[in-house]
Amino acid sequence: AQKITQTQPGMFVQEKEAVTLDCTYDTSDQSYGLFWYKQPSSGEMIFLIYQGSYDEQNATEGRYSLNFQKARKSANLVISASQLGDSAMYFCAMRVNYGGSQGNLIFGKGTKLSVKP
Amino acid sequence: NAGVMQNPRHLVRRRGQEARLRCSPMKGHSHVYWYRQLPEEGLKFMVYLQKENIIDESGMPKERFSAEFPKEGPSILRIQQVVRGDSAAYFCASSRGRDYEQYFGPGTRLTVT
Repeated sequence: AQKITQTQPGMFVQEKEAVTLDCTYDTSDQSYGLFWYKQPSSGEMIFLIYQGSYDEQNATEGRYSLNFQKARKSANLVISASQLGDSAMYFCAMRVNYGGSQGNLIFGKGTKLSVKP
Repeated sequence: NAGVMQNPRHLVRRRGQEARLRCSPMKGHSHVYWYRQLPEEGLKFMVYLQKENIIDESGMPKERFSAEFPKEGPSILRIQQVVRGDSAAYFCASSRGRDYEQYFGPGTRLTVT
């Protein structure tokens, strides 16, 4: 069964430091995509970064990078130079392609990141 | 604003009433997904639609819930005879296609009293 696991319910980081949010996934499918979303206290879901299962390079978007380790089935999010505005819930999600039911995302339970000044 | 639009942002219904949630996808997007987020939980997939077609409704409860995406107008998620357990945030996402990024709307927070 497809599953996303985020083992850190809450994380603290000092402003300007880097932080890694863990995500492991489970799928038997060879073709899949991994996503990270940010949900601030206002509630909207903000797309951060995407990694395809066949991408050889780790994805990067500004201060966000995805540490993709396919053999370990992990897709950790690294945020460099944390800012106070990074305080939010972070969700890891996976999209698998199988049969005729394709495209929906499977989400983890999230990690609440708090950035300390 | 060219983003995904959802309305209303907040909806209060009494038990037994109907709730209608609307979603207008981003311009150029013809694929719509609905997700539900219970308190302290991640999002759970409900239904995937393209214009005039339901592609995958495997996450929809079998009773009281329905969704449509007509040729003209927004996608609608309808919940009939709401119960307290339906209280949640309902998110709509749109994409250009199955293999593209999904962009989320701001969500509708449904409260059933």
